[in-house]
Amino acid sequence: NAGVMQNPRHLVRRRGQEARLRCSPMKGHSHVYWYRQLPEEGLKFMVYLQKENIIDESGMPKERFSAEFPKEGPSILRIQQVVRGDSAAYFCASSPTTGGESDGYTFGSGTRLTVV
Amino acid sequence: KQEVTQIPAALSVPEGENLVLNCSFTDSAIYNLQWFRQDPGKGLTSLLLIQSSQREQTSGRLNASLDKSSGRSTLYIAASQPGDSATYLCAVQGSGTYKYIFGTGTRLKVLA
Repeated sequence: NAGVMQNPRHLVRRRGQEARLRCSPMKGHSHVYWYRQLPEEGLKFMVYLQKENIIDESGMPKERFSAEFPKEGPSILRIQQVVRGDSAAYFCASSPTTGGESDGYTFGSGTRLTVV
Repeated sequence: KQEVTQIPAALSVPEGENLVLNCSFTDSAIYNLQWFRQDPGKGLTSLLLIQSSQREQTSGRLNASLDKSSGRSTLYIAASQPGDSATYLCAVQGSGTYKYIFGTGTRLKVLA
């Protein structure tokens, strides 16, 4: 089991470009969560998705950010027209059950976005 | 609103010492608590997960305890090694929610 796979590991974008971050959950996991870690801050919840459904996006900035988890393929976190303040580490996690109450989440290695 | 605090923010110890990292949370209604390790520029490695019904978990030189009533958890590292140098994060999952609330971590440096 390869675990939660995120790519790319590092992403550099110029201000105004788009960033696409990918997350493939663990095999058998149908629940995906995205967290963001700003410099010198703790991880903060962004969005929770199941296949083809956004369950909770209360932690997502209202503009420029979107997420999807299609029936086939990885979950995508998309940031349009990036600004320097978007520079952060973005972590994806997955669980086999709703909320992962029994076993918690499994986190990926993260994507480090740098906006120049 | 759940808040998670980790003390100390940074810790430097000589190799071989036993040490304790602290985590406190404000709402005792939790599903579980996890301790993670984060190396600079790297991802999160889950170290120990304690269910709300458990008091402690052990893995090798690591022991984590949970006292829900007082809103505290400790991570005990025995015989610390330079390879233990990393940031240790505590996160709690509240009852009835899928979100983890993270502390800001303790940066540990073990000196050879």
